[in-house]
Amino acid sequence: KAGVTQTPRYLIKTRGQQVTLSCSPISGHRSVSWYQQTPGQGLQFLFEYFSETQRNKGNFPGRFSGRQFSNSRSEMNVSTLELGDSALYLCASSGGLATNEKLFFGSGTQLSVL
Amino acid sequence: QKEVEQDPGPLSVPEGAIVSLNCTYSNSAFQYFMWYRQYSRKGPELLMYTYSSGNKEDGRFTAQVDKSSKYISLFIRDSQPSDSATYLCAMSARGSSNTGKLIFGQGTTLQVKP
Repeated sequence: KAGVTQTPRYLIKTRGQQVTLSCSPISGHRSVSWYQQTPGQGLQFLFEYFSETQRNKGNFPGRFSGRQFSNSRSEMNVSTLELGDSALYLCASSGGLATNEKLFFGSGTQLSVL
Repeated sequence: QKEVEQDPGPLSVPEGAIVSLNCTYSNSAFQYFMWYRQYSRKGPELLMYTYSSGNKEDGRFTAQVDKSSKYISLFIRDSQPSDSATYLCAMSARGSSNTGKLIFGQGTTLQVKP
């Protein structure tokens, strides 16, 4: 069974630009969560989607948004990039039917903002 | 104060040693406790998943949860150089407002020397 797939693996952007990251969950999983990982703050929860609806959201500014498609694939968008947005962005999937199911992570997208 | 505290290390041990990794937490609502392993430039890999207090064993790994002390541990027996990685504890509370949301420790970097 294929794991969680994230594309692209690396991205370099400049301040003020926007970026879209993609995540394909494990086959059959309907919940996708997004996390930001930085050396200073560690792993922080961004948001969670289930059946194309955002069910939960972390404490990030509105520049961070996401969506989920009918096939459970998800995208995350960051607008007006800032230097502090440089991070590893991780996607995780789970079945989504229970509130505390195991989360399985992808390898992430390393975003560098110059 | 962070909700989950974890000593970042680094921790260096000789091959074959028993490794003890720990986290403390402040939120008494946490009921689900996880340990993830993360290799450089990879996403976190789920090692152990436990509910409430008690012990769980899987091969060379043992997870312990003491909710009365708000303290969780991961023990690695007969450590191998391939165990060299960052180990992250993670926790979540029950309820719809916590779907997909894990609170992570900062991670402990472990090096096992041959």
